Amino acid sequence: GEEVAQTPKHLVRGEGQKAKLYCAPIKGHSYVFWYQQVLKNEFKFLISFQNENVFDETGMPKERFSAKCLPNSPCSLEIQATKLEDSAVYFCASSRGGQGAIYEQYFGPGTRLTVT
Amino acid sequence: GNSVTQMEGPVTLSEEAFLTINCTYTATGYPSLFWYVQYPGEGLQLLLKATKADDKGSNKGFEATYRKETTSFHLEKGSVQVSDSAVYFCALLNTGNQFYFGTGTSLTVIP
Repeated sequence: GEEVAQTPKHLVRGEGQKAKLYCAPIKGHSYVFWYQQVLKNEFKFLISFQNENVFDETGMPKERFSAKCLPNSPCSLEIQATKLEDSAVYFCASSRGGQGAIYEQYFGPGTRLTVT
Repeated sequence: GNSVTQMEGPVTLSEEAFLTINCTYTATGYPSLFWYVQYPGEGLQLLLKATKADDKGSNKGFEATYRKETTSFHLEKGSVQVSDSAVYFCALLNTGNQFYFGTGTSLTVIP
């Protein structure tokens, strides 16, 4: 598609439940990025993919967070055993390149996760 | 390393006032610089960008000039409207292709 699509728009989970978020990048874009926007607007980079391969995962909390980008499927970000502090808006972005030059990233509308 | 420092808000202005939101950055190499806007309850929208020193990005009456000598990318608008009320983010993108965002500046424009 012409825009980055994210589903669902809102997700509510009880503490300890699993949450799964989806992102469909712009057609032809081979890089996908996940960001977390927490209270006070702070953005945190989580992970990026080049096609189905992890490109940079330096921002990922390793214990409960995982992500995948499989061929012919939306990318996903999964949080096992959610905690209250995981409440945030999760943004996905895609770009057509990722190495050796700067490629503009296009953001999706975000998924608002509320952990109660 | 890479980082963005943005003027703290919130900022409240009367309609038709002049707006400046300061943004300075630290970066290795030659980053691209961006301003994003986030309206209440919505996602990020690209407002403007500049990819090299002395470039001026502009859109919807907003402008920002990439100043390498002062490592700044201040956002300006000559006459704000109520519809400009939003949170504005300055951001840096470098060859590592990870965005570095400022903390956002909330702008409220009152009639």
